[in-house]
Amino acid sequence: GAGVSQSPSNKVTEKGKDVELRCDPISGHTALYWYRQSLGQGLEFLIYFQGNSAPDKSGLPSDRFSAERTGGSVSTLTIQRTQQEDSAVYLCASRALGGRQETQYFGPGTRLLVL
Amino acid sequence: AQTVTQSQPEMSVQEAETVTLSCTYDTSESDYYLFWYKQPPSRQMILVIRQEAYKQQNATENRFSVNFQKAAKSFSLKISDSQLGDAAMYFCAYGTMEYGNKLVFGAGTILRVKS
Repeated sequence: GAGVSQSPSNKVTEKGKDVELRCDPISGHTALYWYRQSLGQGLEFLIYFQGNSAPDKSGLPSDRFSAERTGGSVSTLTIQRTQQEDSAVYLCASRALGGRQETQYFGPGTRLLVL
Repeated sequence: AQTVTQSQPEMSVQEAETVTLSCTYDTSESDYYLFWYKQPPSRQMILVIRQEAYKQQNATENRFSVNFQKAAKSFSLKISDSQLGDAAMYFCAYGTMEYGNKLVFGAGTILRVKS
């Protein structure tokens, strides 16, 4: 079946503008994650959604970052008043729930450049 | 908090040879998962291999195998018979069993394969 998809693939914006990044998880996957990959760095966790439970927002770097997941499927990550340090690749992953740790499957990411 | 360290920013291997990528981690948990992900220039994160901490036997997937030393908190990846398609960034990741099963990533190792 289809994998995790993300849009746009690339986004260039001006400092101070708002941006929205979209993630379509694998059908049937109830867990969804957002990670950020800064240049030359590993991935850092941003936020986690699981079904109808309250999301785990512990990784969001500031209150300019927010995310929602509508209908338990598509998720949108919003960055308000973008700053140059927000430039990074934003990766989404989804996971089926099982008895133990199930593998997270990643999308191709959105490369964000803030000028 | 858990941390993952990849001490080799870059490695090179001759085609058909064997290479080992290093990873160490720090945790106070006794139950967890470890992963190696591959990220080619396309940015798509691809799962290479996973290891369950409660299993003593090292995981293997075709040409890929791990050396899991739980007491030493070491998790190295061995790639045998290296192929040009193995060239990529490799990330070691720790999977917590806490709520959300978040992944903690190392900074990555760039693997170059010479023909």
